[in-house]
Amino acid sequence: EAGVAQSPRYKIIEKRQSVAFWCNPISGHATLYWYQQILGQGPKLLIQFQNNGVVDDSQLPKDRFSAERLKGVDSTLKIQPAKLEDSAVYLCASSYGSGYQETQYFGPGTRLLVL
Amino acid sequence: AQSVTQLDSQVPVFEEAPVELRCNYSSSVSVYLFWYVQYPNQGLQLLLKYLSGSTLVKGINGFEAEFNKSQTSFHLRKPSVHISDTAEYFCAVTDTGGFKTIFGAGTRLFVKA
Repeated sequence: EAGVAQSPRYKIIEKRQSVAFWCNPISGHATLYWYQQILGQGPKLLIQFQNNGVVDDSQLPKDRFSAERLKGVDSTLKIQPAKLEDSAVYLCASSYGSGYQETQYFGPGTRLLVL
Repeated sequence: AQSVTQLDSQVPVFEEAPVELRCNYSSSVSVYLFWYVQYPNQGLQLLLKYLSGSTLVKGINGFEAEFNKSQTSFHLRKPSVHISDTAEYFCAVTDTGGFKTIFGAGTRLFVKA
């Protein structure tokens, strides 16, 4: 079974530029998550989708971050404009169901450096 | 709202020695508890989880954890570690009412030969 795919793996941009990350979850997984992992910290949930609807985006900085999940499969996360403090690893995860007891399967992450 | 505290940021240990990684949580309701491992340049992988029932949970790679409700802890243990266990370990909690999963800051386990 193929795992969660993310691209790109690394990205370096200057502040005020825009950037987009892509995630392809495990086939058949209804729930998709985007996390931000700042160096030395645990992952922080940015947004959670159930199929193509948003379940939780309470910690997404909506003035600069946006995410979509078209057709309930792939997802993109965009930052526009980027700030220095956005430097982090962005992790995508998916789970089969929507319950909070579900195991989340994580992709390798996209490491973003904002200069 | 719940929170998670991993009491040790780094744990160095010699190969074949036992190890315990500590995790405490706070929540006003019942919780689900998880341990994830992150190897270098890889995503997180589930080691084990506690949902209900037996408080001793066995996971992959010889790890186990014990849920202690009175002490609000979920410590991870392995009786004999290998070099390959060198990684970062994250404790996570979510309440059964459906609040989001909260991750601890992580504990870096470094196994020395």
